[in-house]
Amino acid sequence: SQQGEEDPQALSIQEGENATMNCSYKTSINNLQWYRQNSGRGLVHLILIRSNEREKHSGRLRVTLDTSKKSSSLLITASRAADTASYFCATARSSNTGKLIFGQGTTLQVKP
Amino acid sequence: DAGITQSPRYKITETGRQVTLMCHQTWSHSYMFWYRQDLGHGLRLIYYSAAADITDKGEVPDGYVVSRSKTENFPLTLESATRSQTSVYFCASKGGDTDTQYFGPGTRLTVL
Repeated sequence: SQQGEEDPQALSIQEGENATMNCSYKTSINNLQWYRQNSGRGLVHLILIRSNEREKHSGRLRVTLDTSKKSSSLLITASRAADTASYFCATARSSNTGKLIFGQGTTLQVKP
Repeated sequence: DAGITQSPRYKITETGRQVTLMCHQTWSHSYMFWYRQDLGHGLRLIYYSAAADITDKGEVPDGYVVSRSKTENFPLTLESATRSQTSVYFCASKGGDTDTQYFGPGTRLTVL
């Protein structure tokens, strides 16, 4: 069963606009991660936020985590055509095993 | 080449045949994972391994067998392939001191 549910399933924006994707999960977590997948490729790690953190930044990426609501959001600012990809959240209940449970992903299209 | 590789990249087989998907990483990561990706399901964990000779089931292990005699290799075998195992398979690895997983490029398997 999927731990995370992502919203929206698909998002289409113009270059330069911001893109926001949301992820909800069901159980307590150790950390939550966001991955990007370009068409036909493997997943690439973007950012990790731990359960005791509320917000994290990496370049144009901003991730928030609300453990009381069991939700996270990924904001991509000033989007570019190269940001076109699918974005997945993944939760880890424990840091020991490394097991991740992935959401179904949000497909982002950035139009030039 | 450094990194994580999968072979073959594409495979077509018939129902009932045995198929082995290979995964090789050059980082000496202790953890390795096998996922399958299907439309509408995101990525689901099949098996994972914490070290050589240590493996454990994930969310969808039925019909699959793994082994890990060497740290760098983690083959996935479908003992008797079924059409429902048509999917894209991703291998991933991570070191013991990080929560980030590194993904291979994937193997697209079609079972006729």
